[in-house]
Parts: sequence; structure tokens; C-alpha cells
Amino acid sequence: DAGITQSPRHKVTETGTPVTLRCHQTENHRYMYWYRQDPGHGLRLIHYSYGVKDTDKGEVSDGYSVSRSKTEDFLLTLESATSSQTSVYFCAISGGLVSNEQFFGPGTRLTVL
Amino acid sequence: ELKVEQNPLFLSMQEGKNYTIYCNYSTTSDRLYWYRQDPGKSLESLFVLLSNGAVKQEGRLMASLDTKARLSTLHITAAVHDLSATYFCAVKTTDSWGKLQFGAGTQVVVTP
Repeated sequence: DAGITQSPRHKVTETGTPVTLRCHQTENHRYMYWYRQDPGHGLRLIHYSYGVKDTDKGEVSDGYSVSRSKTEDFLLTLESATSSQTSVYFCAISGGLVSNEQFFGPGTRLTVL
Repeated sequence: ELKVEQNPLFLSMQEGKNYTIYCNYSTTSDRLYWYRQDPGKSLESLFVLLSNGAVKQEGRLMASLDTKARLSTLHITAAVHDLSATYFCAVKTTDSWGKLQFGAGTQVVVTP
């Protein structure tokens, strides 16, 4: 695997509580992405970052915020978790070279009760 | 808006036979990616197709890209049980940030 870790790997929380997921990379890649995976939808982009403090919204950003204060860390926050945010969350990184290939972290399984 | 459609969404394969998964996309793009995902696992990169006519092969898998038809195929030769997984295609969007639009995935089950 590329040097990508996600924490926590599993989390169960209650509706209305804030949740922060962390993605950490050791590849010094510029681009980082957060996706959610739900049955029948493939992967959908939540937010992405193209540098420290540079982030933007993806396809399904409502209810999520992100921060990137260091190259290696990209945080995804659910301000007030809802049951519809129960999903598997994947972080991906890309060096932005010719291929733009993305490498994925191990994923975080989040359950909101 | 870029849309990516895979078909079939489910494919039951017999060992030893050949099959094809199709990935169609709606707007111009010159880069397409295939990933494999085993149950409960992350996505593993299989192929990166960077230009029209690109063909990549690895073992029993071969992927090709026709940018004019906006179509990529993933061909499986002589299926074996180890190829059971979900396969995703993803197409690069036209902006500068390397974003990908994923298909819904094709679940492949290979049986004797």
C-alpha cells in the first residue's frame, strides 16, 4: 500500500454528535480526497484538497467539512452526524503527476445510530 | 456533468470462460482507471489508461480505452475464482485537480 492510514477504522456514534475522521499520508502527495462508498453508488467525492489550506467541495459535501493544515493530514468532520452519513469513508492521495493515479487508504466504517 | 456507467452491475462467471465489463462515460476525458475491491477491503489500482487506443494487460485481465466512443472495456480471459471481486472504472474530470468520477461497480463472482 501507498503510505496512507485512516483513523479510526471503525466508529459507532449517535445522531447529532460531531465526528472527525483522519487521513494521514507519508508520500508527500499534493492532492488528497475524501470519498464515501454506499451500495449501488460506487464512490462519491465529498471534499478534496490541492494543497495545504486549499480545499474544495465535491459531489456530496453537504453536512461535511474538511481541513488540511499540513501536507500529510486531511481531516473530515461531520458537524452533526445523521443516519444518512452511515457509510464507508475512503481517503485517497495523488501526486498529481501525468497519470493522476489515486491511491486509497484502508477506509473507515462509520455507523450513526 | 460527467456520468460514468458500468455494465453489467453483476456478473456471474464460470471458471475458464471469457467475459467483458463495459464502462461508458458521457463527456470528453483522456484518462480512465480500473480498480479492484475485495469485500471489506480498500480499492486496488489495476490499470491506468492515458490515451486513446491504450491497452494494458496483467495476467488474465486486459483493459482498453476508446476515447472517441467514450468507452473502456475490461476483458477477463479464462476466469478463475481469485478474480471474484468488485471492479470499478473511474474517469478523470476535465478540471485541474485530478478528480475522478466513479462507476457504480461490477460485482464479479466466479464459480466452478
